[in-house]
Amino acid sequence: KQEVTQIPAALSVPEGENLVLNCSFTDSAIYNLQWFRQDPGKGLTSLLLIQSSQREQTSGRLNASLDKSSGRSTLYIAASQPGDSATYLCAVEMDSSYKLIFGSGTRLLVRP
Amino acid sequence: GAVVSQHPSRVICKSGTSVKIECRSLDFQATTMFWYRQFPKKSLMLMATSNEGSKATYEQGVEKDKFLINHASLTLSTLTVTSAHPEDSSFYICSGNGGQDTQYFGPGTRLTVL
Repeated sequence: KQEVTQIPAALSVPEGENLVLNCSFTDSAIYNLQWFRQDPGKGLTSLLLIQSSQREQTSGRLNASLDKSSGRSTLYIAASQPGDSATYLCAVEMDSSYKLIFGSGTRLLVRP
Repeated sequence: GAVVSQHPSRVICKSGTSVKIECRSLDFQATTMFWYRQFPKKSLMLMATSNEGSKATYEQGVEKDKFLINHASLTLSTLTVTSAHPEDSSFYICSGNGGQDTQYFGPGTRLTVL
């Protein structure tokens, strides 16, 4: 059974810092991996999607990497801003069924 | 990106009553919609997969008679929590597949059962 773990559970950094969020999964036979952002009491916004054949994806200040063989992904946020404060979730899809298995998330606080 | 709406955004009900939550894809057709629940400071757990025009597929441990799902059209799926109890209080989120490995999530519905 696939299990997705995110470390750390919570992170507080001063504005401007670069930071890395970690995601690990137990079954490396994934179809793809996604990073989402969730604001308090809100739904999810997809940030980056990495196909199993890819090693990284970039969007603005965000860069996500995938090492499928070791079961790990990282989300790198450059020059963090207070507006980046949210919970970041990673999720894996095991096949093309669209069913996602989520990690427990990292709650990020960027202090002004 | 595409928009998914949920209604209501918040609902408070008495124990024993039933609550219906609607999930609509506003600008795309979703042949498949998913229902998740999320407890405070926890991750999303998939409850069921809702396929338009057919029965929903429930994840292990989810009571299909308690969480009734109807996907009557390509833009609407409903989740009815029957005979709700306080332990059903949670944040319910739906999503719809928009093709090309893309899912669009609704803003969620916070259910509080007194």
